[in-house]
Amino acid sequence: AQTVTQSQPEMSVQEAETVTLSCTYDTSESDYYLFWYKQPPSRQMILVIRQEAYKQQNATENRFSVNFQKAAKSFSLKISDSQLGDAAMYFCAYRSTSGTYKYIFGTGTRLKVLA
Amino acid sequence: EPEVTQTPSHQVTQMGQEVILRCVPISNHLYFYWYRQILGQKVEFLVSFYNNEISEKSEIFDDQFSVERPDGSNFTLKIRSTKLEDSAMYFCASRERENTEAFFGQGTRLTVV
Repeated sequence: AQTVTQSQPEMSVQEAETVTLSCTYDTSESDYYLFWYKQPPSRQMILVIRQEAYKQQNATENRFSVNFQKAAKSFSLKISDSQLGDAAMYFCAYRSTSGTYKYIFGTGTRLKVLA
Repeated sequence: EPEVTQTPSHQVTQMGQEVILRCVPISNHLYFYWYRQILGQKVEFLVSFYNNEISEKSEIFDDQFSVERPDGSNFTLKIRSTKLEDSAMYFCASRERENTEAFFGQGTRLTVV
């Protein structure tokens, strides 16, 4: 069974600075997807970024980028030029490319942005 | 932009009562899911639904839970006899076809008192 681990329950970053959130996962599959979701106080799940395992190039979305290390089963999220609106809970998630395509989430990292 | 809609946004129910959480998936989507998030904890998979039947369920999804797609547009989660520990945020998600991205609804906060 696949597992997702986020070892940082909480992180803080100064506004305009850069922060990296860590995620590791375990799987025996060779093809899969990884995601970072943002959950603000409203608790809605907002997709931040997606990475396909067969793509070696790291995904980027504006100020958000990932460092995907397939051999190490590591998938970290870097947020550049942090803004107050980035404060939220961030969940790392895994999805298989077969079966029911369900998501497996990590326990989350709460990001605080300091003004 | 199409979105998954959940109603109500917040429901309070007495312990032992039945509750139905409603979801309207994106119209051309074929795969449907329910997830649960107890306050302060991670989001957990409950059940997946395809072709009018459950395709997978977790150990959380016991006999008190059921899902239904009664009219081709709604997708419901029923909890027959609610317990205090059912208090959580419930998320519906849908996807168009195999191996495509799932879209999450905004969630229903269920409070059992």
